[in-house]
Amino acid sequence: SQTIHQWPATLVQPVGSPLSLECTVEGTSNPNLYWYRQAAGRGLQLLFYSVGIGQISSEVPQNLSASRPQDRQFILSSKKLLLSDSGFYLCAWRAGLAGFYEQYFGPGTRLTVT
Amino acid sequence: AQSVAQPEDQVNVAEGNPLTVKCTYSVSGNPYLFWYVQYPNRGLQFLLKYITGDNLVKGSYGFEAEFNKSQTSFHLKKPSALVSDSALYFCAVRDPGGYQKVTFGIGTKLQVIP
Repeated sequence: SQTIHQWPATLVQPVGSPLSLECTVEGTSNPNLYWYRQAAGRGLQLLFYSVGIGQISSEVPQNLSASRPQDRQFILSSKKLLLSDSGFYLCAWRAGLAGFYEQYFGPGTRLTVT
Repeated sequence: AQSVAQPEDQVNVAEGNPLTVKCTYSVSGNPYLFWYVQYPNRGLQFLLKYITGDNLVKGSYGFEAEFNKSQTSFHLKKPSALVSDSALYFCAVRDPGGYQKVTFGIGTKLQVIP
């Protein structure tokens, strides 16, 4: 069966510090991968998605970036964190084959920028 | 542009009573519709989806949803609520032509009262 991991689970970082969040998927090949941010415990904002290694699409311009160095690894980064980057970051995957529609989410990383 | 509305910020229901969580959508063409549930500090869990076919779809944990094209709605239902159903529920829509982007509603908090 497929499993998605995210780490760390929680993170407290000062303003201006760098960020690296990691997401890995097991049990599937060539998944579509997504990064979302959930602010104030409610709506989800799509940040990035990837359909393959090295292929990243950005939905919202901001000081975050994403990379996909391996098929089942998706990394969210920032060079300098802002207070507004605080939130709950969720990684998700979807099977990359036709006929598969739903996304499956990781456990999330709660980021607090101080 | 596609959009989803969840008109109720919170729904309260007594344990054992039927529950309904409302969702309306706007999309060009025939929609792909989804319901997800989120427990505190956890990732989203997929409940059910409508892609095509029967307007009444059944999902996990006894939930079902009815697709109504004329009213552009996709309400989530359960015949008998459990206290453990208390959580945050998200409706989501994807335009079949929009390969990657799924738009989520802002979420409805369901509180089942013992």
